[in-house]
This record gives sequence, structure tokens and C-alpha cells, in this order.
Amino acid sequence: SQQGEEDPQALSIQEGENATMNCSYKTSINNLQWYRQNSGRGLVHLILIRSNEREKHSGRLRVTLDTSKKSSSLLITASRAADTASYFCATYMYSGGGADGLTFGKGTHLIIQP
Amino acid sequence: NAGVTQTPKFQVLKTGQSMTLQCAQDMNHNSMYWYRQDPGMGLRLIYYSASEGTTDKGEVPNGYNVSRLNKREFSLRLESAAPSQTSVYFCASSEGLAGVKPQYFGPGTRLTVT
Repeated sequence: SQQGEEDPQALSIQEGENATMNCSYKTSINNLQWYRQNSGRGLVHLILIRSNEREKHSGRLRVTLDTSKKSSSLLITASRAADTASYFCATYMYSGGGADGLTFGKGTHLIIQP
Repeated sequence: NAGVTQTPKFQVLKTGQSMTLQCAQDMNHNSMYWYRQDPGMGLRLIYYSASEGTTDKGEVPNGYNVSRLNKREFSLRLESAAPSQTSVYFCASSEGLAGVKPQYFGPGTRLTVT
């Protein structure tokens, strides 16, 4: 079952503008990660935020986490054409045994118009 | 340093045929994963391996078997392919637990079952 739900499903903005994507999830988590997927390629890790962190930055990326609302947001500042991709949030809850994997949302498809 | 490699890139099977998807990583990671991605969906975990000789079922294991041949290689086998297994399959690896360390993904295998 999908844990995270990204919003919006699709987003089209002009180059240079900021892009914001949101992720909501249902159950408690240990960590949340964001991944990027370019068309026809594998996923690339962007950032990991732990449940006791509220905000994290990496270059032009800013991620926030609100565990009380069970939501996270990814902000990409000063967007570039190369940022065109699908973005997925993935949640993790340590189960103490058994399969250990991430639970992915359906993704936000971001298009940067030149 | 190739990262995570997968073979083949594309495959078409008839219902009932069998095949093995190969995955190898050269990053000396302990954990390896198999996910499937269906159109408009996030990734779903099929199987996980914490180390050589150990495997655990994920969210959607039915119809699949896996082998962790050694630390580098983790293969996924479809014994009797069904149209519902048409999907893109991704192998991933990580240094440690899924939520603690980033996952590194291969380029994917696009499988069609007719």
C-alpha cells in the first residue's frame, strides 16, 4: 500500500521560478526521503530528513517535515530545465525484522518551461 | 565505478515463460532491494536482502523468487510470467538500513508479458 501521497500530481512552471511539492503520509515514520526520477531512468536520492528534524537544505533544495501533520514539502529554488523530472517522497518505519524497504508515493511530475 | 547495473534493459515474455533479472552493485553495500514500478505509481518493494544468503519478502512478493548469490549480486526470477507482472523493475542497494542511508538505484528493466 502507498504510504505517501504527493501533491500536486503534476506541476509546470517557468525556468527560474520556485517549485514546491508536498507529501502526506498516514502512519508514524522514522525518516522520510525525497528522490528524483528522470524519464526512463532509475531514481536518484536527493535528501533524507529524520523524524526529529524540521528542516533540511541541500543546494537549491529545501525539505521540511511536520510530523504532527504527517506531511513534508520539497522546495526547489531557481528552477532549471534540468530539474524536469518526477519527484517521489519515500517513508521509512523500522519494523524490527523482516523486509526493510522504503514506501514510495506516486510522485509529482515537474516540468520546467524554458 | 558503475554503481548498480541491471540486465537486461528490455524484455518481452509470453505468459508462462520464465526469466531471471540480474542485478549487481560495486559499492560494497550490504542491503539490496527489488522494486517494481507500474504506470503512474510509486515503487513497491518485492524482496529485500540484508546480506549474502538472507532474503525477506516485501509488499508484493507473489510470483517472484530471489537469490542473493554473493555480496555483489541479487537476482529476481519469474517462474511463470503473467500479464500482471508487466512493469519496470528496479534494483537498489544501500550501505545500511533503508531509512538510515540513501538507496542507489539501477537503470531498470522494462518487462512486458503478453
